[in-house]
Amino acid sequence: DAGVTQSPTHLIKTRGQQVTLRCSPKSGHDTVSWYQQALGQGPQFIFQYYEEEERQRGNFPDRFSGHQFPNYSSELNVNALLLGDSALYLCASSFGQGDTEAFFGQGTRLTVV
Amino acid sequence: KNEVEQSPQNLTAQEGEFITINCSYSVGISALHWLQQHPGGGIVSLFMLSSGKKKHGRLIATINIQEKHSSLHITASHPRDSAVYICAVTGNQFYFGTGTSLTVIP
Repeated sequence: DAGVTQSPTHLIKTRGQQVTLRCSPKSGHDTVSWYQQALGQGPQFIFQYYEEEERQRGNFPDRFSGHQFPNYSSELNVNALLLGDSALYLCASSFGQGDTEAFFGQGTRLTVV
Repeated sequence: KNEVEQSPQNLTAQEGEFITINCSYSVGISALHWLQQHPGGGIVSLFMLSSGKKKHGRLIATINIQEKHSSLHITASHPRDSAVYICAVTGNQFYFGTGTSLTVIP
């Protein structure tokens, strides 16, 4: 079992560009959540996908959008990148909508220059 | 004010010491999670608990729902325990603390 896998591991983008990050959940998991972790801070919840729909959303602007595919994998898209979007983006998968243990990926380190 | 507060922010210990990290939260929760994050970013879930106490090897996690407080204990600490320990709670969404950076010196 590969666990939660994220790609790419590192990424450098220019202000104003768009970026797509990808996440494959742990086998058997159907729920994917995305988090942004700025340097020295705890992760901040972006949104959660279940059954291909956004179920919950944190306090992030519409520039942050996502998608979940029928195989439960997910993408996080960020448009019109700002320098402040530089962070580690973490994906976590779990099963169902209740309180079950979440498994995290290694993250994608995004640097916006 | 953050929904989840951890203390201390930074902790240095000698190998073999008993370590305690504290977490207080202010929101209604259904579960509390202790996570471990090593340099480079990957997060590992250590515990998920909603009451009482759980033990895994040298790690022990306790929660007091009435006091909205949890502790993570590490017995016989080892340099490989050096990491950032994050407390997170699930209510209507995941709320994370800012983490406790632990360094265990040989």
